[in-house]
Amino acid sequence: GAVVSQHPSWVICKSGTSVKIECRSLDFQATTMFWYRQFPKQSLMLMATSNEGSKATYEQGVEKDKFLINHASLTLSTLTVTSAHPEDSSFYICSASEERGGTGELFFGEGSRLTVL
Amino acid sequence: KQEVTQIPAALSVPEGENLVLNCSFTDSAIYNLQWFRQDPGKGLTSLLLIQSSQREQTSGRLNASLDKSSGRSTLYIAASQPGDSATYLCAVKSRTGNQFYFGTGTSLTVIP
Repeated sequence: GAVVSQHPSWVICKSGTSVKIECRSLDFQATTMFWYRQFPKQSLMLMATSNEGSKATYEQGVEKDKFLINHASLTLSTLTVTSAHPEDSSFYICSASEERGGTGELFFGEGSRLTVL
Repeated sequence: KQEVTQIPAALSVPEGENLVLNCSFTDSAIYNLQWFRQDPGKGLTSLLLIQSSQREQTSGRLNASLDKSSGRSTLYIAASQPGDSATYLCAVKSRTGNQFYFGTGTSLTVIP
């Protein structure tokens, strides 16, 4: 099946620094990718929808200047947590679906655990 | 807006039992329904995908059914094993637009 790769799988950073997380679709083109945040023992919270070649669509309550999303190609979307603070510590997951002539199946990356000291 | 519900929130069964997880959705205008598994600290793994025109899909010990008219899907796990312990989530894709709606998941524990 299709694979979505997410990197890094975990990162520790100091408060005030920025962290970039990459999400790649390895064997299909993804015009749309999704970024989620997940708190312990809770379900996924959609943060934003990343659209190739255009601006991301953010969910209500998600700061777009804090969580910068760039979808520069059909296989890569990045999430940058700017000026990270301890409250940004969380598990971030990306996903992508095979839209063009595909089944619409959704595939997820392995997730990235961010810890801000 | 589409709402997806999963019941029960948690389930504990002895090894070897057959079990059923439930997923219900409020808007029957879906493109597909997908079941996922999530292990602690990991991403989601796709288990089964059912297109709106299909009634069920099978993979190994897993069988998922879809009844659009009643807004329900079930995931049947036969002969459960401790390795099946995980959180299971269902998600529906809207027929219009590229939106996915997730249930809150069922946490399954299979006791050896």
